[in-house]
Amino acid sequence: GENVEQHPSTLSVQEGDSAVIKCTYSDSASNYFPWYKQELGKGPQLIIDIRSNVGEKKDQRIAVTLNKTAKHFSLHITETQPEDSAVYFCAAIQGGGGNKLTFGTGTQLKVEL
Amino acid sequence: GAVVSQHPSWVICKSGTSVKIECRSLDFQATTMFWYRQFPKQSLMLMATSNEGSKATYEQGVEKDKFLINHASLTLSTLTVTSAHPEDSSFYICSARSALNQPQHFGDGTRLSIL
Repeated sequence: GENVEQHPSTLSVQEGDSAVIKCTYSDSASNYFPWYKQELGKGPQLIIDIRSNVGEKKDQRIAVTLNKTAKHFSLHITETQPEDSAVYFCAAIQGGGGNKLTFGTGTQLKVEL
Repeated sequence: GAVVSQHPSWVICKSGTSVKIECRSLDFQATTMFWYRQFPKQSLMLMATSNEGSKATYEQGVEKDKFLINHASLTLSTLTVTSAHPEDSSFYICSARSALNQPQHFGDGTRLSIL
């Protein structure tokens, strides 16, 4: 089955700086990679996703890059703000295999004033 | 769009009772719903997948008689924790998907505390 590793587990940045979270996956058949933001006491919220036929996708301050050859994908947040503080999860889904999401272990992002 | 509502958000009950959690897709039809369990500071652990009108598929190690799942309509799935015990205390989260190639959207979770 799929295995997703996520780094770092915690990340602290100053307001206005950029934050980068990296994930690797094991199954080359995986073709969809969403990123979720989870605030304390709430469910995960989809913030951006990318499919395997695209190398990069951007939505305002958030971007995701995908390197299929290396089986890496990354989340980039620019001009960070205190409200970006949360736990971020990457995930991967196989084209087959029931289309179940495999989550990374999460990154606690703290944006300091 | 793509709102998933979960109810209740928090429940406390005595050991031995059964607890039902509802998951509704408010503005789309969910052909598939998923139930997850999350322990503090950990990732989400998939418990089961349910497709409307058919039996749920449980992940290895999840007791189907303990965690009853019903997906009777395209907008509602329920998880019933039967004869709950303190070790069942956790954060339970549902998600829903409208089609095979569409994103999963999550509810805000239910914090279950068994005394």
